Amino acid sequence: KAGVTQTPRYLIKTRGQQVTLSCSPISGHRSVSWYQQTPGQGLQFLFEYFSETQRNKGNFPGRFSGRQFSNSRSEMNVSTLELGDSALYLCASSFTPAPTDTQYFGPGTRLTVL
Amino acid sequence: GDSVTQMEGPVTLSEEAFLTINCTYTATGYPSLFWYVQYPGEGLQLLLKATKADDKGSNKGFEATYRKETTSFHLEKGSVQVSDSAVYFCALSDQRGYSTLTFGKGTMLLVSP
Repeated sequence: KAGVTQTPRYLIKTRGQQVTLSCSPISGHRSVSWYQQTPGQGLQFLFEYFSETQRNKGNFPGRFSGRQFSNSRSEMNVSTLELGDSALYLCASSFTPAPTDTQYFGPGTRLTVL
Repeated sequence: GDSVTQMEGPVTLSEEAFLTINCTYTATGYPSLFWYVQYPGEGLQLLLKATKADDKGSNKGFEATYRKETTSFHLEKGSVQVSDSAVYFCALSDQRGYSTLTFGKGTMLLVSP
């Protein structure tokens, strides 16, 4: 079974631009979560989606948004990029959004903002 | 709110040494607990998990026991290998019915031959 895939793997943008990251979950998984990983703040939760609905959102500004499609694929968008948005963005999928269900992570998208 | 505290690294060991990485948590109720591992340039891989008190998770020689009384989930391995060099993250699940994970800061393990 194929794992979680994220595209693109690497991105370089400049301040003020916007970016869209994509995540394809494991086949059959309907829950998708996004995390931001930085050296300073570690791993921080961004969003959780299930059946095209955002169920939970982390403490990030409104510049960060996301959505989930009917095939469970998910995208996240960051508008008006800032230098501090440089990070590894990780997507995770699970069969259900139950707290006991294992989340499987993709390789991440490395975003660099210049 | 929920939080996870891990011992700071790096932890430097020789091959075949015994490994312990401490993890304690703060949460109301009974969260599920996880250990994830991240190899250089990669995403996170689930190493093991425990969903209720006194459960022991195990995988690839690693073990951790869910201790409710001490709010701990320490990771152990009897004999580490060079290939175990990675960053290890302890995490707990949200208890409000979400799959949100709260992570510790991570502990880097370096194993030398």
